[in-house]
Amino acid sequence: KQEVTQIPAALSVPEGENLVLNCSFTDSAIYNLQWFRQDPGKGLTSLLLIQSSQREQTSGRLNASLDKSSGRSTLYIAASQPGDSATYLCAVDNTDKLIFGTGTRLQVFP
Amino acid sequence: NAGVTQTPKFRILKIGQSMTLQCAQDMNHNYMYWYRQDPGMGLKLIYYSVGAGITDKGEVPNGYNVSRSTTEDFPLRLELAAPSQTSVYFCASSYPRPASKTDTQYFGPGTRLTVL
Repeated sequence: KQEVTQIPAALSVPEGENLVLNCSFTDSAIYNLQWFRQDPGKGLTSLLLIQSSQREQTSGRLNASLDKSSGRSTLYIAASQPGDSATYLCAVDNTDKLIFGTGTRLQVFP
Repeated sequence: NAGVTQTPKFRILKIGQSMTLQCAQDMNHNYMYWYRQDPGMGLKLIYYSVGAGITDKGEVPNGYNVSRSTTEDFPLRLELAAPSQTSVYFCASSYPRPASKTDTQYFGPGTRLTVL
């Protein structure tokens, strides 16, 4: 059974720091891995999707990497801003279903 | 496009009551999903549908029912509400999965349900 774990569960950093969020999964037979952002009381917004054949994806200050063989993905956020404060969820897609991690709650303070 | 819409936004039920959570999408997506999110947890799949008339169970289907009579709508039915069903419910949709498996899911804003 696929299990997805995210570390750390919570993170508080000052504005301007570069930071890394971690995601690990137990079954490497995935089709893709996705990172989502969730704001309090809101739905999820897709940030990045990495196909199983890819190693990384970039969007603005965000960079996500994927290492299928080790069952790991990282989300790198450069020059963090208070507006980045949210919960970040990773999810792996195998057999047409998304399996979610429990998320990392990020707070960026001025 | 409105995207994925859900109603109601909030609801309080008494134990044993029934209700239907509504979900609609206007993106002509074939695939639709229902998730629940408990406090401090990730999302768990309840039911999903790959097209009108086709539904299947996810990880946590007990206590719920779904139907998919149109491409646009995917209601979730709670027949006998229990405190364990207190959660936030999210509906999502996506395009059909091609061989490349590239598409993400688009989420609604959620329904916060409390069962007392």
